[in-house]
Amino acid sequence: QQQVKQSPQSLIVQKGGISIINCAYENTAFDYFPWYQQFPGKGPALLIAIRPDVSEKKEGRFTISFNKSAKQFSLHIMDSQPGDSATYFCAASNRNTPLVFGKGTRLSVIA
Amino acid sequence: DGGITQSPKYLFRKEGQNVTLSCEQNLNHDAMYWYRQDPGQGLRLIYYSQIVNDFQKGDIAEGYSVSREKKESFPLTVTSAQKNPTAFYLCASSILAGSSYEQYFGPGTRLTVT
Repeated sequence: QQQVKQSPQSLIVQKGGISIINCAYENTAFDYFPWYQQFPGKGPALLIAIRPDVSEKKEGRFTISFNKSAKQFSLHIMDSQPGDSATYFCAASNRNTPLVFGKGTRLSVIA
Repeated sequence: DGGITQSPKYLFRKEGQNVTLSCEQNLNHDAMYWYRQDPGQGLRLIYYSQIVNDFQKGDIAEGYSVSREKKESFPLTVTSAQKNPTAFYLCASSILAGSSYEQYFGPGTRLTVT
């Protein structure tokens, strides 16, 4: 019930392409779904987050799509750049509980 | 500068020794967290604290201990009972625990035990 399953484990995308990372959850009480970006040797940084009252949230080249009935959410990175190469984590939480993280996706954007 | 500091960045210890990792925040956040990161394992919660003098076990608390004597500080002790302590340790904080509040991470401490 507390798991968040993230896929793929790794992803290679051409520069200018779209990167898509998917997450699925089981706990219907989750009501906050953030994505974090982590560069090697650094702490994760909050990238974008969504709550279940909306189906999509966009910030610049980053978009979260949320499907409440399927219990899935995904991160889309448009016009992917080499500087986007990092590990991305999805997470979920509900009221008064810490975040539960997916296992991460290592994204490589190649020129 | 506001933020979360973790020290040291790299830490080396001999097997059988306890070691304490420092985490300090000046964000005036009530909630603080410790995560362990291993390759391919994501971020696993060790302990968290919602308020001074109170803390709860996370998913992998065995072999670890914490204290929360001050709002801004949440040190983590890796004891000799932790079977595989070599990992990247991350501290985080949020205004309060729970889904209404963004969680921010420190830069991490890489612990190597030989």
